[in-house]
Amino acid sequence: KQEVTQIPAALSVPEGENLVLNCSFTDSAIYNLQWFRQDPGKGLTSLLLIQSSQREQTSGRLNASLDKSSGRSTLYIAASQPGDSATYLCAVGSNDYKLSFGAGTTVTVRA
Amino acid sequence: DVKVTQSSRYLVKRTGEKVFLECVQDMDHENMFWYRQDPGLGLRLIYFSYDVKMKEKGDIPEGYSVSREKKERFSLILESASTNQTSMYLCASRQGGADGYTFGSGTRLTVV
Repeated sequence: KQEVTQIPAALSVPEGENLVLNCSFTDSAIYNLQWFRQDPGKGLTSLLLIQSSQREQTSGRLNASLDKSSGRSTLYIAASQPGDSATYLCAVGSNDYKLSFGAGTTVTVRA
Repeated sequence: DVKVTQSSRYLVKRTGEKVFLECVQDMDHENMFWYRQDPGLGLRLIYFSYDVKMKEKGDIPEGYSVSREKKERFSLILESASTNQTSMYLCASRQGGADGYTFGSGTRLTVV
């Protein structure tokens, strides 16, 4: 069974600092890995999708890397803003239709 | 952009009631999913459907059923609501294979 771990559980940084969020998974036989953002009481918003054959994906200030062999992904958010405050979830897609989620990292960006 | 629409943001139901949660997607996706999210337990898969009229149990199907009569609509049914089914319910869809998931905005269900 795929186990997904996100470290740290919570992070507080001053505005402008770069954010580094870590995700690790136990089974390297993945289809893809997806990063989501969740605001309190809301649904999940997809940020980046990395296919198993890719090493990284970028969108604006966001960059996500994938190292399948070591079972790790990292989400970088450059020049953080207060609007980046949210919970970030890592999810690993496998060949059984299922998505395995980490518990999330709750980010607070202080103005 | 793909849209996944959940019909209700907030619902309050009484114990023993039959509850229907509706989810509609507008991009002809093959696969649809129902999750519930609880503090400390994360997201857990209840049921999923990989095609019309097809359904598979997820990790926590007890107390729930689903219906998928049309490709765009996936309904979650609580046959007899109980207080331990108070939760945030999230619907998702994807085309299939290695496609990414798109989630709806969630339904916060409270059973009293």
